[in-house]
Amino acid sequence: KAGVTQTPRYLIKTRGQQVTLSCSPISGHRSVSWYQQTPGQGLQFLFEYFSETQRNKGNFPGRFSGRQFSNSRSEMNVSTLELGDSALYLCASSPGTSAGNEQFFGPGTRLTVL
Amino acid sequence: QKEVEQNSGPLSVPEGAIASLNCTYSDRGSQSFFWYRQYSGKSPELIMFIYSNGDKEDGRFTAQLNKASQYVSLLIRDSQPSDSATYLCAVKPGNTGKLIFGQGTTLQVKP
Repeated sequence: KAGVTQTPRYLIKTRGQQVTLSCSPISGHRSVSWYQQTPGQGLQFLFEYFSETQRNKGNFPGRFSGRQFSNSRSEMNVSTLELGDSALYLCASSPGTSAGNEQFFGPGTRLTVL
Repeated sequence: QKEVEQNSGPLSVPEGAIASLNCTYSDRGSQSFFWYRQYSGKSPELIMFIYSNGDKEDGRFTAQLNKASQYVSLLIRDSQPSDSATYLCAVKPGNTGKLIFGQGTTLQVKP
């Protein structure tokens, strides 16, 4: 099976712009979670989607949003970019949300905000 | 108190030795536990996943879970220089897709 894919792999934006990141989960997986990784804060949960519904949201401002499509692909959007949004954005794919399900990460999108 | 705590290290072991990585968590309702390996500049790679008390072995890796003590560990036998990486412990609170990560432990395996 193909793994989790994320596009684009690298992005450079300026403050105030917005950005959309895409994630395609492993075939058959219906749950997609998004995380932000920075050197200072580590890996932090952004949100989780299952069957096109947001199931959980982390402690991030409303500028961070996401959605999931019927084919389980997911996008996240960050509006009005700030310097502090520079990070590695990771999505993770899982068959479902129960305790017995593993999560597999994609390669990530490296976002730099200037 | 952080939700998931790991010693940041670095933990240095000689090649061929056993590396022991530890993690504690605060939420007693946590149901499943993950160990990821992350090389510099790469994304986390799933190494082990455990949700029952006791040990789970996969090749050179053994995960140990003690829910009463809220403690999970990862043992790496016959450590190799290629095992040098940051090891992330993650906890899943209940039937959600949310993982809570520790800050990671840097492992250095010296030839």
